[in-house]
Amino acid sequence: GENVEQHPSTLSVQEGDSAVIKCTYSDSASNYFPWYKQELGKRPQLIIDIRSNVGEKKDQRIAVTLNKTAKHFSLHITETQPEDSAVYFCAASDGLTFGKGTHLIIQP
Amino acid sequence: GAGVSQSPRYKVAKRGQDVALRCDPISGHVSLFWYQQALGQGPEFLTYFQNEAQLDKSGLPSDRFFAERPEGSVSTLKIQRTQQEDSAVYLCASSLELAGHYEQYFGPGTRLTVT
Repeated sequence: GENVEQHPSTLSVQEGDSAVIKCTYSDSASNYFPWYKQELGKRPQLIIDIRSNVGEKKDQRIAVTLNKTAKHFSLHITETQPEDSAVYFCAASDGLTFGKGTHLIIQP
Repeated sequence: GAGVSQSPRYKVAKRGQDVALRCDPISGHVSLFWYQQALGQGPEFLTYFQNEAQLDKSGLPSDRFFAERPEGSVSTLKIQRTQQEDSAVYLCASSLELAGHYEQYFGPGTRLTVT
């Protein structure tokens, strides 16, 4: 089955700096790659997604890049703010296989 | 509008008891998914419905787990003879169309604790 690796497991950045979270996947048939944000005790919420016919997608301070040849995709958050603190999950295999998550901590 | 709802929000069961977890998807959503999320981990896929048809149940960990969606709307995840390793948050999600092509909207989850 699909295997999704996510790194790092914890990321601490200064407020205003950028944060990058990376994921790799194994199933070359994967075509849909969402990213979810989950605050403590809350449900996962989609923040951005990308499909395999696109290499990059941006939405304000958030961007996702996809390299299908290398089978990896990354989440980029610029100008981080305290409210960005949460656990972030990537997913592959049509959005059904999740990574283990990255705990993003924004230091004031 | 109303999002995905789940009930109960919390459930404590003694080992060996049966439990039933309910999911009310967003009205009109064709696809419904169940996930298991252990503490500090990502959601793990359990099963997927398209309308009333269960198209994928490859993630169900054992034959003690059973899911149904008889009328293509509300779904129930049943766990028989619960064991301690079943303790987790069970998340339900729904999607407008086919799996893998559209955003999944998650419910708040049911936290199951087996004592």
